Amino acid sequence: NAGVTQTPKFQVLKTGQSMTLQCAQDMNHEYMSWYRQDPGMGLRLIHYSVGAGITDQGEVPNGYNVSRSTTEDFPLRLLSAAPSQTSVYFCASSPIYYNSPLHFGNGTRLTVT
Amino acid sequence: AQTVTQSQPEMSVQEAETVTLSCTYDTSESDYYLFWYKQPPSRQMILVIRQEAYKQQNATENRFSVNFQKAAKSFSLKISDSQLGDAAMYFCAYRSARPQGGSEKLVFGKGTKLTVNP
Repeated sequence: NAGVTQTPKFQVLKTGQSMTLQCAQDMNHEYMSWYRQDPGMGLRLIHYSVGAGITDQGEVPNGYNVSRSTTEDFPLRLLSAAPSQTSVYFCASSPIYYNSPLHFGNGTRLTVT
Repeated sequence: AQTVTQSQPEMSVQEAETVTLSCTYDTSESDYYLFWYKQPPSRQMILVIRQEAYKQQNATENRFSVNFQKAAKSFSLKISDSQLGDAAMYFCAYRSARPQGGSEKLVFGKGTKLTVNP
């Protein structure tokens, strides 16, 4: 039972570089989301999706791009990395029934120098 | 927009004692769900307990229980017989029961760091 799989676990980028954080789930969940976690800020929503082909912005979407071509995958793209994007990133999914808790991946620690 | 507030950035408790973590939220909705998540140093996010707003009975999971006060918009977590393994960041979260318009998202508080002293 893989659940939510995030890759990579750690990444170091230089300012201006681009990269994609991968997220895949094998639970057939309709809802998927990306959060960033910063000290003292809790978890803030970047983007989310309620199904294939449907995405929307969260609280802090600037500098990030997402797409949802399949139910299983929800990659997060950093277009031009900035030091302010140094953070821990979590992908999470759930069924569309809202009493369901989110299932989280193990996170990606990203450092932008 | 809904907001979740955890007013205690840090808390500490002696092993085997009881501790209560506070959470308040702001919403105009009547139907919603509330969650407590635990994040140990491993960084993994673990669901501790959930509460449906329409249920008056407080949720309980072993040593973890909540005090849900809907009118006061308060959702505190009580940990009884605290163990060293309870040391972690604890996040309170809100989710609307309405399935449209962005309400699917989970809104988190900023967290409370719990230290358990032996």
